[in-house]
Amino acid sequence: NAGVTQTPKFQVLKTGQSMTLQCAQDMNHEYMSWYRQDPGMGLRLIHYSVGAGITDQGEVPNGYNVSRSTTEDFPLRLLSAAPSQTSVYFCASSPLSQYGYTFGSGTRLTVV
Amino acid sequence: GIQVEQSPPDLILQEGANSTLRCNFSDSVNNLQWFHQNPWGQLINLFYIPSGTKQNGRLSATTVATERYSLLYISSSQTTDSGVYFCAVGLADNYGQNFVFGPGTRLSVLP
Repeated sequence: NAGVTQTPKFQVLKTGQSMTLQCAQDMNHEYMSWYRQDPGMGLRLIHYSVGAGITDQGEVPNGYNVSRSTTEDFPLRLLSAAPSQTSVYFCASSPLSQYGYTFGSGTRLTVV
Repeated sequence: GIQVEQSPPDLILQEGANSTLRCNFSDSVNNLQWFHQNPWGQLINLFYIPSGTKQNGRLSATTVATERYSLLYISSSQTTDSGVYFCAVGLADNYGQNFVFGPGTRLSVLP
């Protein structure tokens, strides 16, 4: 099992560019989410999904879009990148019937 | 919204020492997890512990939900214990899977 796979690991964007961060899991988990990690602030929830076709906003959703067309994939789209979106992004998954996240290895994004 | 505080923010230990990390939260919670982020950035779930006490090897955790705190104990620390420890408390939503993270405790274990 690969677990939760995030791509790319590193990305540099110019202000105003768009991109998609990929997240895939092979554990058939219903729940998937995206968090961002900024220095000294822990992790903050951006968007989450409890199954294919079902998504909802977390604490800091502005500037990000998500979709969940399959159980396995949960991409995060940055519509028009801003320097404030410079961060490390983590994808997590979990069965709905249990507790305990499996995290991906993270994507370090820099917006210049 | 719910507030999560962790103390101390930084901790430096000699290998073999014991330590206690604390997590305080501002409201009643049904879910609580502890995570370790290693120096390479990987996040690992340590405990799911909404109440009571659990132990896993040299690590144990206790949550007293009625008093709104949780403790993580690390005994006989090793250099591989270095990293950041996060406490995360569950939001009161329909699914119980969304969490608010504390700012973390950065632990450095010296050889």
